[in-house]
Amino acid sequence: QQQVKQSPQSLIVQKGGISIINCAYENTAFDYFPWYQQFPGKGPALLIAIRPDVSEKKEGRFTISFNKSAKQFSLHIMDSQPGDSATYFCAASKGQGGSEKLVFGKGMKLTVNP
Amino acid sequence: DAGVIQSPRHEVTEMGQEVTLRCKPISGHDYLFWYRQTMMRGLELLIYFNNNVPIDDSGMPEDRFSAKMPNASFSTLKIQPSEPRDSAVYFCASSLGGSLPYEQYFGPGTRLTVT
Repeated sequence: QQQVKQSPQSLIVQKGGISIINCAYENTAFDYFPWYQQFPGKGPALLIAIRPDVSEKKEGRFTISFNKSAKQFSLHIMDSQPGDSATYFCAASKGQGGSEKLVFGKGMKLTVNP
Repeated sequence: DAGVIQSPRHEVTEMGQEVTLRCKPISGHDYLFWYRQTMMRGLELLIYFNNNVPIDDSGMPEDRFSAKMPNASFSTLKIQPSEPRDSAVYFCASSLGGSLPYEQYFGPGTRLTVT
């Protein structure tokens, strides 16, 4: 049973474009939703995270939009750069994400062409 | 801090052999997680520890897998006997419970190939 479904599986955008990655979750007990970024040969690293008490969180060019009623959240990358080319994972957990297990989506490979 | 340290970075072994993966978490972190990453199944949590005690091992695929954390600075994941389907990248991550932004810090991973 996949508790966090991520789409699309891959995305190619041009430099300066907007990249959008969507995730849907099933467990309404989830209350912490991070996005992790993974470069080839490296481990995933936290990019940005949101709690369900807000509908949007922005950090630089990265924005999370959260829709609690639809049980969906998305990552928007504005002004995409070639350096953003990586695999992006959405995740969810109950309680504090640092001390509870994270359930990951299957990941989306982003390629930003120069 | 050097971050989470994993060894070896690459391991190639033959089916039936015992494999031991090692992890040193970030000093002071009280949670340690073992993940497995494959193309088919993505990133799966195998087991996690809190203060060296296993909390949830429901992700461990079968009895061939075992994990230990003898002290706060060291953990092992053992596969005995190994099978080709165990080929994957294994990540260790650590975190400080209750600490914003609740981040799990991943190591560089061990790429395991079982022939």
